[in-house]
Amino acid sequence: SQTIHQWPATLVQPVGSPLSLECTVEGTSNPNLYWYRQAAGRGLQLLFYSVGIGQISSEVPQNLSASRPQDRQFILSSKKLLLSDSGFYLCAANRRTEAFFGQGTRLTVV
Amino acid sequence: AQKVTQAQTEISVVEKEDVTLDCVYETRDTTYYLFWYKQPPSGELVFLIRRNSFDEQNEISGRYSWNFQKSTSSFNFTITASQVVDSAVYFCALSEVLAAGNKLTFGGGTRVLVKP
Repeated sequence: SQTIHQWPATLVQPVGSPLSLECTVEGTSNPNLYWYRQAAGRGLQLLFYSVGIGQISSEVPQNLSASRPQDRQFILSSKKLLLSDSGFYLCAANRRTEAFFGQGTRLTVV
Repeated sequence: AQKVTQAQTEISVVEKEDVTLDCVYETRDTTYYLFWYKQPPSGELVFLIRRNSFDEQNEISGRYSWNFQKSTSSFNFTITASQVVDSAVYFCALSEVLAAGNKLTFGGGTRVLVKP
């Protein structure tokens, strides 16, 4: 079965600092990978999705970027965090019709 | 473009009452998948159900039931005899089948609060 590892679980970062969130997938090959953000009390906003190594699609213009250096690795990054980057970040993998989510990272930018 | 609308932002019920969560979607695809997820306070998303666009048969799983109406583009979710443990945010999602993969779009979520 698919397992998604996402870390760290919580993160407090100062404004202007860099960010790197990592997500790895086990139990499947060539999955579609997604990064979602959930602001406090809000729904899930799709940030990036990837259908293969090096292939990244951005859904919304923002301060973040994503990379997929390996088939089952998806990284969310920022060079300089903004206060508005605070939120709950979820990595997801979708193979055929099944979608699985990581445990999420709660990011607070202070 | 695909879109999922959950008009109810929050529903509050007393334990043992039934609660129905509405989900309306938009898509130009004829083949697609619909999902419901539960997000408890801990934050993780728990998969509840998947339905493909060719299967309009309603489904019941314990206290949960789903009503898929393709004619009205709706995929509603009912919790029967609600319990306090049902308190969570529930998300409806749509997956279009793209040439290179599936793209998930979520509704805004409905917060369900079940009071004892």
